[in-house]
Amino acid sequence: EAQVTQNPRYLITVTGKKLTVTCSQNMNHEYMSWYRQDPGLGLRQIYYSMNVEVTDKGDVPEGYKVSRKEKRNFPLILESPSPNQTSLYFCASSTGTGNTGELFFGEGSRLTVL
Amino acid sequence: AQSVAQPEDQVNVAEGNPLTVKCTYSVSGNPYLFWYVQYPNRGLQFLLKYITGDNLVKGSYGFEAEFNKSQTSFHLKKPSALVSDSALYFCAVRDPYMFSGGYNKLIFGAGTRLAVHP
Repeated sequence: EAQVTQNPRYLITVTGKKLTVTCSQNMNHEYMSWYRQDPGLGLRQIYYSMNVEVTDKGDVPEGYKVSRKEKRNFPLILESPSPNQTSLYFCASSTGTGNTGELFFGEGSRLTVL
Repeated sequence: AQSVAQPEDQVNVAEGNPLTVKCTYSVSGNPYLFWYVQYPNRGLQFLLKYITGDNLVKGSYGFEAEFNKSQTSFHLKKPSALVSDSALYFCAVRDPYMFSGGYNKLIFGAGTRLAVHP
């Protein structure tokens, strides 16, 4: 089954404790991206990757890092989480050929930073 | 700047009645438009898209949307609502000539919660 898998789905942590949210897709997609969803703001792009070893900032990259060492994986790293990073996070992927295709989303990771 | 507006935070509809969820957009060129649905504790699921051609596009679960270039709108519609349609709906736009964020970046509206009552 084609899917984007995120882990963990739920996480409560404390300020400053480094954490990683993993994302993996099995569709051989070149493009991957992270979004955060906040009430009243919709989804906003954090980082994206056009292909292996190619990453760049989205609209709200502060406090986040990413890496793309393999095509299928695109982890989101919070080096020193702060309460304003409490949010619902989505990983998404898409084919790289043209830009008419839809994004495929993971189930989401709800993060609470105390 | 690219933007998407969903003017209603919530839409309430009785089961069996037609529903409309509104969306307007602002992009510099010809947009690619999408609708996604989010059920509780789930990710976003693709419903339909407009790229080019017929202004009325049909999608999953009986939904359709009408692209109106003069009004810069892309309203989501369904002729007969079901209780199971209750969810959060997102309209999104992609400007095919803007590379910022990667060519597959979507700009999302704030979302509209659809509540269908029995």
